[in-house]
Amino acid sequence: KNEVEQSPQNLTAQEGEFITINCSYSVGISALHWLQQHPGGGIVSLFMLSSGKKKHGRLIATINIQEKHSSLHITASHPRDSAVYICAVSKRDSNYQLIWGAGTKLIIKP
Amino acid sequence: NAGVTQTPKFRVLKTGQSMTLLCAQDMNHEYMYWYRQDPGMGLRLIHYSVGEGTTAKGEVPDGYNVSRLKKQNFLLGLESAAPSQTSVYFCASSSLFYKVTEAFFGQGTRLTVV
Repeated sequence: KNEVEQSPQNLTAQEGEFITINCSYSVGISALHWLQQHPGGGIVSLFMLSSGKKKHGRLIATINIQEKHSSLHITASHPRDSAVYICAVSKRDSNYQLIWGAGTKLIIKP
Repeated sequence: NAGVTQTPKFRVLKTGQSMTLLCAQDMNHEYMYWYRQDPGMGLRLIHYSVGEGTTAKGEVPDGYNVSRLKKQNFLLGLESAAPSQTSVYFCASSSLFYKVTEAFFGQGTRLTVV
């Protein structure tokens, strides 16, 4: 079993819909990251969380440390949000190691 | 600022050929990383560096070598390319280890070994 699991693997929605992407992990962590990868490959860091909730524009990320679960929400989704969203965790007992989820491919149709 | 710049962006190699991928960052970051990304899998760490003159192995170091002669540059070398090294390679840098700060990524290098 992978130490970081994302769901769903693929998600297609209509413009304007509320989107939720989930990330569950099985190891002790010091931080969780959400990143975005657009077609063409570039990876951009969206959030780094160690507790609670963060918001940036239409993006909201939450984490529940006790349940080892994080969610990324997109409100009022737009076709430009189409990308792969990746969850990664910093292991508590490792200085360098990030464990990566396989990503969620999101397509927003106009 | 350019951030993290990788060169080249695309390359096709024949089996057995060698090449070097260059990663340059202009943010004065101490830590630099090389990852590979394969379809359906999360990024996997090849090698990393915690400062100028230092390198260390990650999860999948076999077949690769690295050097960090200057703080701003991190080179990834393939001495004898194999088809299994066909992948997209990403370089990243950070001011501290990933625990406390975010990483900055390059645009990726798409390598095909035939």
